[in-house]
Amino acid sequence: EAQVTQNPRYLITVTGKKLTVTCSQNMNHEYMSWYRQDPGLGLRQIYYSMNVEVTDKGDVPEGYKVSRKEKRNFPLILESPSPNQTSLYFCASRSMTGGKTGELFFGEGSRLTVL
Amino acid sequence: GENVEQHPSTLSVQEGDSAVIKCTYSDSASNYFPWYKQELGKRPQLIIDIRSNVGEKKDQRIAVTLNKTAKHFSLHITETQPEDSAVYFCAASIENAGNMLTFGGGTRLMVKP
Repeated sequence: EAQVTQNPRYLITVTGKKLTVTCSQNMNHEYMSWYRQDPGLGLRQIYYSMNVEVTDKGDVPEGYKVSRKEKRNFPLILESPSPNQTSLYFCASRSMTGGKTGELFFGEGSRLTVL
Repeated sequence: GENVEQHPSTLSVQEGDSAVIKCTYSDSASNYFPWYKQELGKRPQLIIDIRSNVGEKKDQRIAVTLNKTAKHFSLHITETQPEDSAVYFCAASIENAGNMLTFGGGTRLMVKP
C-alpha cells in the first residue's frame, strides 16, 4: 500500500529536549516536505527536499532541521524545542516526474506538545 | 513570496445547498491551484486541481473556477452532503518550480442534515 508514515503520532516533551520526527514514504517520490498546521494559519511549509542530499527552507524553518540521506526518509529534527513549536506536523511527498505538479501525499500527522 | 488568502474561515450550510469557498493569490506567476480536503482527525487529501490554461474544471459535485486576471479561484460544492463536512484548503504554486506550495488558512465547512 502506497503511504507516508510518520512517527511518533503523538509526543509531549519539555523545552530544550531534542527530538526527531521520522517520515518515510514507499512511493519512490523525489519530493518530500514538512508542514506545520496551526488554527487559522493553514499549512505552512517548514522544509522541503527535491532529492537526496538536497534540502531547502520553506516559510517557517526557524528552529527546525532536516536531512535527506536516503530517498525514502526525511526526518524533522527539533534541536531545542520551544512551546511555540507546539503544533500538528505533516510530512508529505509527491512525484516530480512527468513535468507536472503531482498530488501531495500526506502522512497521518504528528501532534507535538512542548511544555 | 506567494500569499494565499482564503474566505470564509467557517461556512455552515444546509444539506442539499451549495457551498462556495474563495481564495486569492498574490504571485501572478502561479499557475497551479489544488484544493485539499481534511476530515476531522485525518490527513489532507487532494480533491481537485486546476491549471492556469483552463478557467473551470468539474468533477461530479465539485467544481473549481479560476480568474487569472483577478488572481482568484473558487471551489464550488453543489448538493452538499454531511460527508462534505471538513476543512478545505486552497493552495497555489508555480508548476514544478521548486516547489513552494502555499496554502490558504483553511475553511471549516459544516453541512447540517
